[in-house]
Amino acid sequence: DIQLTQSPSFLSASVGDRVTITCRASQGISNYLAWYQQKPGKAPKLLIYAASTLERGVPSRFSGSGSGTEFTLTITSLQPEDFASYYCQQVNSYPITFGQGTRLEIK
Amino acid sequence: QVHLQESGPRLVKPSETLSLTCTVSGYFISSGYYWGWIRQPPGKGLEWIGSIFHSGNTHYNPSLKSRVTISVGTSQNHLSLKVNSVTAADTAVYYCARENGQGLDPWGQGTLVTVSS
Repeated sequence: DIQLTQSPSFLSASVGDRVTITCRASQGISNYLAWYQQKPGKAPKLLIYAASTLERGVPSRFSGSGSGTEFTLTITSLQPEDFASYYCQQVNSYPITFGQGTRLEIK
Repeated sequence: QVHLQESGPRLVKPSETLSLTCTVSGYFISSGYYWGWIRQPPGKGLEWIGSIFHSGNTHYNPSLKSRVTISVGTSQNHLSLKVNSVTAADTAVYYCARENGQGLDPWGQGTLVTVSS
């Protein structure tokens, strides 16, 4: 199985800040990586797929990069609605696996 | 617009079988894509359970494979999940979602299943 390690697990930031979340894969997965945002009591929402492609309707302050084993999700100019949990997911091979998540909270 | 809705018992006794259905509207399962199940224990992260193609081809999480069965009902346009011999560790919100090869989208709203006597 491909393991995904996200860092940090917890992030405290202020509105307007720029934050970066990292996801490392235990083996190369090309660009078969997706990022999700999850708010309390809600299903995850697909933000980015193919490592860097923004899902339709996702604000441009979100961006993804990386290939192989190291990936990043960056949010520029944090907005109040961005405070949530974020997960990476690899779709390179079965079994599909997720990172353990990053909880982004307001400082 | 594709919509998924999970349904089934919210409370299951230990050692019994958890059974859930995911009804899909706005898209015919028989038209393509894999359709999957994911769960999330309270306060914890996401765990992929498995997925199925309309032909019946399945993939399972090795950690759950011995206890899980996913099936598809194309005439009713739904997929089903069964987890045998449940314990408290199977208490979770269970989601269904469409796998499009690039990620999971859309998702159902999820349903909390509690394992308790």
